Amino acid sequence: GAVVSQHPSRVICKSGTSVKIECRSLDFQATTMFWYRQFPKQSLMLMATSNEGSKATYEQGVEKDKFLINHASLTLSTLTVTSAHPEDSSFYICSASRSAEGLPLHFGNGTRLTVT
Amino acid sequence: GQNIDQPTEMTATEGAIVQINCTYQTSGFNGLFWYQQHAGEAPTFLSYNVLDGLEEKGRFSSFLSRSKGYSYLLLKELQMKDSASYLCAVKDSNYQLIWGAGTKLIIKP
Repeated sequence: GAVVSQHPSRVICKSGTSVKIECRSLDFQATTMFWYRQFPKQSLMLMATSNEGSKATYEQGVEKDKFLINHASLTLSTLTVTSAHPEDSSFYICSASRSAEGLPLHFGNGTRLTVT
Repeated sequence: GQNIDQPTEMTATEGAIVQINCTYQTSGFNGLFWYQQHAGEAPTFLSYNVLDGLEEKGRFSSFLSRSKGYSYLLLKELQMKDSASYLCAVKDSNYQLIWGAGTKLIIKP
């Protein structure tokens, strides 16, 4: 089956530093990848849609200069949290689909970010 | 606005059957998904419904009624490992996924 790998699974960083999270589709090409954030006991919140070779589309309220998304190839998308603050601490999840219809989505294992 | 409703929490007994309901009001409909999420992990895909009716996959089944804006996930022969959150998500007319907050299912021996 389709596998999406996300790295790192857990990261702790200090306020003001930047953190990069990688999302790879291991056995398929993903034209589109999605980045989500999930706070405890809350639903998944879509942050942005990442398209290979073009700029990401950000959801309303998500700062594109703070959450930098790069989709350099059909198998790799990265999310960089710049100048991290404690309120950025969350569970970040990427997802991708092998099909043009985007069905179904396959998720990475998520990254638990803690900003101290 | 767009809205997905599902119960916050349910409790069931090992070996029993449980039905998790999901109602939705979205701008358009292009399919409904159920995902399972264990604590601290990413969701895993369970089922997809786009036409009315029941989709069966092993111990799990999912039902959809588009006219009622309603779906349910049915879990049979419950096992302790089924303790997780179950997320309902609908793809709207713009092919955006709208997520429910999830139903935490607690299985007791």
